[in-house]
Amino acid sequence: IRMTQSPSSISASPGDRVTITCRASQYIDNHLAWYQQKVGGAPKLLISGASTLQGDVPSRFSADGSGTTFTLTINCQQSEDFATYYCQQYYTYPYTFGQGTDLEVK
Amino acid sequence: QVQLVQSGSELKKPGASVKVSCKASGYTFTSYAMNWVRQAPGQGLEWMGWINTNTGNPTYAQGFTGRFVFSLDTSVSTAYLQISSLKAEDTAVYYCARDGGFGAYNWFDPWGQGTLVTVSS
Repeated sequence: IRMTQSPSSISASPGDRVTITCRASQYIDNHLAWYQQKVGGAPKLLISGASTLQGDVPSRFSADGSGTTFTLTINCQQSEDFATYYCQQYYTYPYTFGQGTDLEVK
Repeated sequence: QVQLVQSGSELKKPGASVKVSCKASGYTFTSYAMNWVRQAPGQGLEWMGWINTNTGNPTYAQGFTGRFVFSLDTSVSTAYLQISSLKAEDTAVYYCARDGGFGAYNWFDPWGQGTLVTVSS
């Protein structure tokens, strides 16, 4: 299953609302996760089940979608949110990731 | 807390082998599958496969058969990735990542800190 994220990069200022889209090449129900990776660090799980926020993730993050189209939104994003974001399908093997979206300072 | 701690960076010559370890703590090791993910320099994440920590049975993604071996030592709650006949294109950060839930088909949580393997003559 091919996962395609858009945009590949986005420039934003602190306080902006940012939305990243992830599309699957075939149906994956809600078997989608979102990860955040900061420079030099390991990926960190933000969202599982397409919309379930992990306990330590700020509420300014939200996600939605089912089937083939999914979104990750950061409301009033803060400086610590500048990172690369990946979606991943775990509906079937082989698990696949999107190519990543770089969230950069404007 | 649940934690995965990987072994340190490695510098190897082409043709050599490397074994990366991933030590788990804070949970019952055999209750969750372990995955391996590769990230080449400046590139995205690529799932290499997973190992059933109950049976030791590995499953490899396409492109990671032959030279790549997943193994376990359950007595010390550790998973291993061994790569043989190293090539320059194996240069990457390798992550272990635990299944986030029980059963088949899960997200990954947590991740190890990553191990940089550099292959250079």
